[in-house]
Amino acid sequence: AQSVSQHNHHVILSEAASLELGCNYSYGGTVNLFWYVQYPGQHLQLLLKYFSGDPLVKGIKGFEAEFIKSKFSFNLRKPSVQWSDTAEYFCAVRFGNNNNDMRFGAGTRLTVKP
Amino acid sequence: ETGVTQTPRHLVMGMTNKKSLKCEQHLGHNAMYWYKQSAKKPLELMFVYNFKEQTENNSVPSRFSPECPNSSHLFLHLHTLQPEDSALYLCASSQGWPDTQYFGPGTRLTVL
Repeated sequence: AQSVSQHNHHVILSEAASLELGCNYSYGGTVNLFWYVQYPGQHLQLLLKYFSGDPLVKGIKGFEAEFIKSKFSFNLRKPSVQWSDTAEYFCAVRFGNNNNDMRFGAGTRLTVKP
Repeated sequence: ETGVTQTPRHLVMGMTNKKSLKCEQHLGHNAMYWYKQSAKKPLELMFVYNFKEQTENNSVPSRFSPECPNSSHLFLHLHTLQPEDSALYLCASSQGWPDTQYFGPGTRLTVL
């Protein structure tokens, strides 16, 4: 069965540290990939998405993610985090072209120490 | 952010009650969704409406009944819920499917 895994449940970093959050999925077909973020007290909002084309996707606030098909991964990266990046990050995958199956990972809580 | 609104924001109900959650989107989108967010569990997609037609029902118990009277409004009717149904219920909308989803603030539901 299709699934989405985020192995890091809570990540704590100091400001200016580099960030990489893992996202893996299990499915051999076409996927659409998303990263959403939820800042404290705010709604879930899109960080970036991948549908096709260049597997390195750039999003808002300096975030990027790379789709590696052979590894079934879509890891989120940022070279230098800020205190304001403290939030919960969710990876989401839509499986298949015509399938309405969309699943979210359990989320990773990021705490950035000033 | 007033793109997607949800009411009420908090709801406490007994297992025999009937209540409804309301979602309204002001973004001109064609697709709307209900999600359930339980503590320490992934966000679960419950229902998808595309152009007011339900296109997905992820084996949700019949005690949850969605209604989409038009592309701007979405309801979730609740009837004889169980305590394990206590969760944050999120509504979202998008221009198409799949596309970026815009989420509302959620309704925190507690079933006693």
